[in-house]
Amino acid sequence: AQTVTQSQPEMSVQEAETVTLSCTYDTSESDYYLFWYKQPPSRQMILVIRQEAYKQQNATENRFSVNFQKAAKSFSLKISDSQLGDAAMYFCAWGSGGGADGLTFGKGTHLIIQP
Amino acid sequence: GAVVSQHPSWVICKSGTSVKIECRSLDFQATTMFWYRQFPKQSLMLMATSNEGSKATYEQGVEKDKFLINHASLTLSTLTVTSAHPEDSSFYICSAIGPGLAKNIQYFGAGTRLSVL
Repeated sequence: AQTVTQSQPEMSVQEAETVTLSCTYDTSESDYYLFWYKQPPSRQMILVIRQEAYKQQNATENRFSVNFQKAAKSFSLKISDSQLGDAAMYFCAWGSGGGADGLTFGKGTHLIIQP
Repeated sequence: GAVVSQHPSWVICKSGTSVKIECRSLDFQATTMFWYRQFPKQSLMLMATSNEGSKATYEQGVEKDKFLINHASLTLSTLTVTSAHPEDSSFYICSAIGPGLAKNIQYFGAGTRLSVL
């Protein structure tokens, strides 16, 4: 079974600064994907970024980037130039390579943006 | 594209009654839908996976007779909470995948808040 661990229940950052959210996972599979989802107060799950395990290059999406360390089973999310709209719960998730299975989520990190 | 609609967004029911939650894919064929449960300030936990035309596969610890899932068409899956009790109060979220969409990305509905009195 897969496990996803987010060790930071809450993080706070000043607007315009950079923040990094941590995530570690455990799996015995070689083909998988990792995701960061954002859940604002509306509770709609929004995909922030996705990383394929077989790709060494770290994924980036505008202000969002990941540091994927496969050997260490670490998958952190860096948010640059933090904006007020980034305030939300952030969930790290693991998915099988085939894509036909449900996701395994971490417990989430509550990100607070200080104006 | 790839919009998933969930209805209702909030439902209140009396203990002992049944409640049906719908999950629809509006612009794609959802060959597989997933149902998650989220307790307040907690993570999403997978409850079951449903494939169109097949019986749902439930995760360990999820009562099949309490949480009935039907995926009768390529655009609709329903979750019925039977004989609901206050401990079933939670946030239920569905997601879907389908052919032609980005691989390994699940598209989520907006969720349904269930309150059992």
